[in-house]
Amino acid sequence: DTGVSQNPRHKITKRGQNVTFRCDPISEHNRLYWYRQTLGQGPEFLTYFQNEAQLEKSRLLSDRFSAERPKGSFSTLEIQRTEQGDSAMYLCASSFTRANVLTFGAGSRLTVL
Amino acid sequence: GQQLNQSPQSMFIQEGEDVSMNCTSSSIFNTWLWYKQDPGEGPVLLIALYKAGELTSNGRLTAQFGITRKDSFLNISASIPSDVGIYFCAGQLSQGAQKLVFGQGTRLTINP
Repeated sequence: DTGVSQNPRHKITKRGQNVTFRCDPISEHNRLYWYRQTLGQGPEFLTYFQNEAQLEKSRLLSDRFSAERPKGSFSTLEIQRTEQGDSAMYLCASSFTRANVLTFGAGSRLTVL
Repeated sequence: GQQLNQSPQSMFIQEGEDVSMNCTSSSIFNTWLWYKQDPGEGPVLLIALYKAGELTSNGRLTAQFGITRKDSFLNISASIPSDVGIYFCAGQLSQGAQKLVFGQGTRLTINP
């Protein structure tokens, strides 16, 4: 297992389009997190799954954002009707036991034109 | 919301120098973590601290969990070129909390 994998690494889209990011966590990890990181800032929590259940969502996750983890393995983050303010790095992380020992993926960078 | 204030925002040092950075908050944190992020990559965990007053080392890195539980520092001794990057502190507000709150980062640049 090579760690947390995220695809695509880069996505450029026009405002109003929908985009979807995929995260494949470390296989034995049951917890999966999505964070957003804008330029010059630290990551901000978006949402968290334990197995297939989405247990917590940040207020940052507007109704245009939806995350799923259908079989408790990989996860997708979809952004509908993208806006320029959605431009950021979307980071996925996973963990097995304590929430604080997170292993992050390399991220998916979104640019909305 | 809860914020972590990290300082300095950036550091420019000579190779071989020691580095010190810190993180403070008005809130009490249950856990403090230090991550390093290289360009185009995700953060990588350096050190995790679980108890107030705890001092932990990882090679040339040393971090401490403040006794007030509202601050933490990270020291790097004898810096080398591969230490270049952005260092983030992160905290967990309570034992059951699943999210981490991150600081704004300290960008470290090393002149050879």
